Amino acid sequence: DTAVSQTPKYLVTQMGNDKSIKCEQNLGHDTMYWYKQDSKKFLKIMFSYNNKELIINETVPNRFSPKSPDKAHLNLHINSLELGDSAVYFCASSLLTVSYGYTFGSGTRLTVV
Amino acid sequence: AQSVTQPDIHITVSEGASLELRCNYSYGATPYLFWYVQYPGQHLQLLLKYFSGDPLVKGIKGFEAEFIKSKFSFNLRKPSVQWSDTAEYFCAVMSNSGNTPLVFGKGTRLSVIA
Repeated sequence: DTAVSQTPKYLVTQMGNDKSIKCEQNLGHDTMYWYKQDSKKFLKIMFSYNNKELIINETVPNRFSPKSPDKAHLNLHINSLELGDSAVYFCASSLLTVSYGYTFGSGTRLTVV
Repeated sequence: AQSVTQPDIHITVSEGASLELRCNYSYGATPYLFWYVQYPGQHLQLLLKYFSGDPLVKGIKGFEAEFIKSKFSFNLRKPSVQWSDTAEYFCAVMSNSGNTPLVFGKGTRLSVIA
């Protein structure tokens, strides 16, 4: 009965590989987000989608490409992984018009070796 | 642009002691304000939020926060902490129009000792 679920929970991969992280929410929210939490625990917004449309695209390398097939899913694909991409990636969802805060997924710990 | 400052990186308190975690924000209008908690190895959970009205808001697990507009502050308090409160605490802000994303402070790590 998980509200926001992310897969995988852990991801260890070599530099140069391409990987994807999936996110799904069953809350009926219309907006989804990707945040990156670095080793110092700082959380920074990467992308936001509202009803499958990209509405926020922060300064993120082009190697990161989000895709939202429908408003319940937001996936993150990363090309040519680099050491600096190692972090915890959190998916979140909310209602855009009624801001009760975001509901976060459990995170994906990505380690690039 | 919105920004959030949490001046304390790490705080250690004894079990049973009172707690206050500081948060200051920078924003042109009254924003929506939040406190989230992240227990070790877990995701972020919402502790409480402020939108309007009574500036003293109560949240889960015995936490409360006070919005002081003149000081641009939204400090988190708990009268008596427990060992299980050991976690990372994040203050966050967003515009009251909802068209900007949630912006987080850098977090305060709380360690509760016996």
